[in-house]
Amino acid sequence: QKEVEQDPGPLSVPEGAIVSLNCTYSNSAFQYFMWYRQYSRKGPELLMYTYSSGNKEDGRFTAQVDKSSKYISLFIRDSQPSDSATYLCAFNAGGTSYGKLTFGQGTILTVHP
Amino acid sequence: DTGVSQNPRHKITKRGQNVTFRCDPISEHNRLYWYRQTLGQGPEFLTYFQNEAQLEKSRLLSDRFSAERPKGSFSTLEIQRTEQGDSAMYLCASSRITDTQYFGPGTRLTVL
Repeated sequence: QKEVEQDPGPLSVPEGAIVSLNCTYSNSAFQYFMWYRQYSRKGPELLMYTYSSGNKEDGRFTAQVDKSSKYISLFIRDSQPSDSATYLCAFNAGGTSYGKLTFGQGTILTVHP
Repeated sequence: DTGVSQNPRHKITKRGQNVTFRCDPISEHNRLYWYRQTLGQGPEFLTYFQNEAQLEKSRLLSDRFSAERPKGSFSTLEIQRTEQGDSAMYLCASSRITDTQYFGPGTRLTVL
């Protein structure tokens, strides 16, 4: 079983739609939860970072973590064509493994004008 | 703060050749990480340094791969006797201790 499962999509939505991106994980040691955005031929850039269950909001983005179900989500409101990218969930166990991030496969999102 | 830089951005080589990539982290970041990303996949952790010390290596890092960070600043990743399976994007990231990781643009390696 993979440590992280992420639907690769692709996901195609019209401008203004609400987008929901999801990941499940199996490693109970994961304590830190992140979402990165990666544009084509670029490095990933951090969007959201959280370490507790519940919701965290930043502008049009909301990160949701459910540790009991081992499930995290990213919601994008009022999606824009500039949001078209690959979205990666990432996890970190902390402690002696603090340096290592474990990524999902990535979901390709296209927002049509 | 100029961000993480990586050179070269692209490298094409023939099977069996050795290649070396360089990463310059954000200044004052103690930690430096290397990841590998193949098409359609998320980045996979290879190794990371805290200052000069290499603290963790993945099983993905075979004997043909070696990474150094000699003065705790820039880092190099060398692949010896390249194979076609080594073709990937090699990403470098840096961070302060216990902080989030900031990624560079990557070096795309193609092995013919």
